[in-house]
Amino acid sequence: DGGITQSPKYLFRKEGQNVTLSCEQNLNHDAMYWYRQDPGQGLRLIYYSQIVNDFQKGDIAEGYSVSREKKESFPLTVTSAQKNPTAFYLCASSNQGALATEAFFGQGTRLTVV
Amino acid sequence: AQSVTQLGSHVSVSEGALVLLRCNYSSSVPPYLFWYVQYPNQGLQLLLKYTTGATLVKGINGFEAEFKKSETSFHLTKPSAHMSDAAEYFCAVNTGFQKLVFGTGTRLLVSP
Repeated sequence: DGGITQSPKYLFRKEGQNVTLSCEQNLNHDAMYWYRQDPGQGLRLIYYSQIVNDFQKGDIAEGYSVSREKKESFPLTVTSAQKNPTAFYLCASSNQGALATEAFFGQGTRLTVV
Repeated sequence: AQSVTQLGSHVSVSEGALVLLRCNYSSSVPPYLFWYVQYPNQGLQLLLKYTTGATLVKGINGFEAEFKKSETSFHLTKPSAHMSDAAEYFCAVNTGFQKLVFGTGTRLLVSP
């Protein structure tokens, strides 16, 4: 079955550590996205990529980094510069070039700072 | 900039009652609008979307939404709530740059 796989489902980070969240899709989508979800704030865009080897900052990119070396993969690194990283992180993908296309989401990774 | 506003962070209904979740949009161009549902600790699932054409859009699980340009609204409704409808619902608009902008969400509570 086609879909988006995020791993791990739960992740714990110590202060000062970098951690990487995995996102893989087999939908053959060009565009991929990372959102952060906090209670009462909806989803906020961290980074997005419309094509391999290219990505753009979203609304809250500070303290995060991404790479897009393969079409199927869009990992997100939460760096030590992100002062409040505890949140639910969602990866999504969509077809490129169609305004009406919806985004498909993974099951999310819950990151907690300990 | 395009945006959506969801009125009411929580909505409570009884099982069998009408569900109405409100969404208003702001857009300088014809919008593409979406409703998603999220169950606890899961990703988002598309309920329905409005592109062009018919203003009444039917989605999964008996939900529907009506696009009203004059009111800049895209409210989500379901005639009869079921316990399994309890979840968080998000309205979203496509900004035209392949990005979705989401509202802050409405949590639907269904009581027996």
